[in-house]
Amino acid sequence: NAGVTQTPKFQVLKTGQSMTLQCAQDMNHEYMSWYRQDPGMGLRLIHYSVGAGITDQGEVPNGYNVSRSTTEDFPLRLLSAAPSQTSVYFCASSMTQETQYFGPGTRLLVL
Amino acid sequence: QQQVKQSPQSLIVQKGGISIINCAYENTAFDYFPWYQQFPGKGPALLIAIRPDVSEKKEGRFTISFNKSAKQFSLHIMDSQPGDSATYFCAASKGNFNKFYFGSGTKLNVKP
Repeated sequence: NAGVTQTPKFQVLKTGQSMTLQCAQDMNHEYMSWYRQDPGMGLRLIHYSVGAGITDQGEVPNGYNVSRSTTEDFPLRLLSAAPSQTSVYFCASSMTQETQYFGPGTRLLVL
Repeated sequence: QQQVKQSPQSLIVQKGGISIINCAYENTAFDYFPWYQQFPGKGPALLIAIRPDVSEKKEGRFTISFNKSAKQFSLHIMDSQPGDSATYFCAASKGNFNKFYFGSGTKLNVKP
């Protein structure tokens, strides 16, 4: 079991560029989420999914898109990167409310 | 508006001492309160969690105390060790899977 994997580990973008952060899990979890972590602000929920084909917005969804075509994958798309999106991004998955498994994170720098 | 407020931001404790981190929430619909531990360069990992029908939960050296009337909960780390040095986050959710609200984090440094 690889658990939750995220790629890339680190990315530098220029303002206005687009990119996709990849997240995959091999635990057959229905629930997957994307968070961003910024200093002094904890983790904030961007988007989440309760199953393939079903997604919903979290606290800070603006500037990000998601889709969930399979149980395993939950990519996060930045449509037009802005410096305010510089952050560390974590993907998480769970079978129940009670235990979320987090990936190792993607560190994104937008210049 | 932050749904879960956490304090202190940072904490220094001597080896063998007790570390205490506090969180407060406003939404009485929250029904699950986990604590996560995060080491540098890693994702958060679930440490211990509690539901509001109990006032305390203990797992080894880690204890959650829960005060429903005050809408507060805290993490106590007994006999703190240097290996406990990490950032700790409290969180809360209200039945919707994956809609978790996190506190701002506490960086714990346990000195040998």
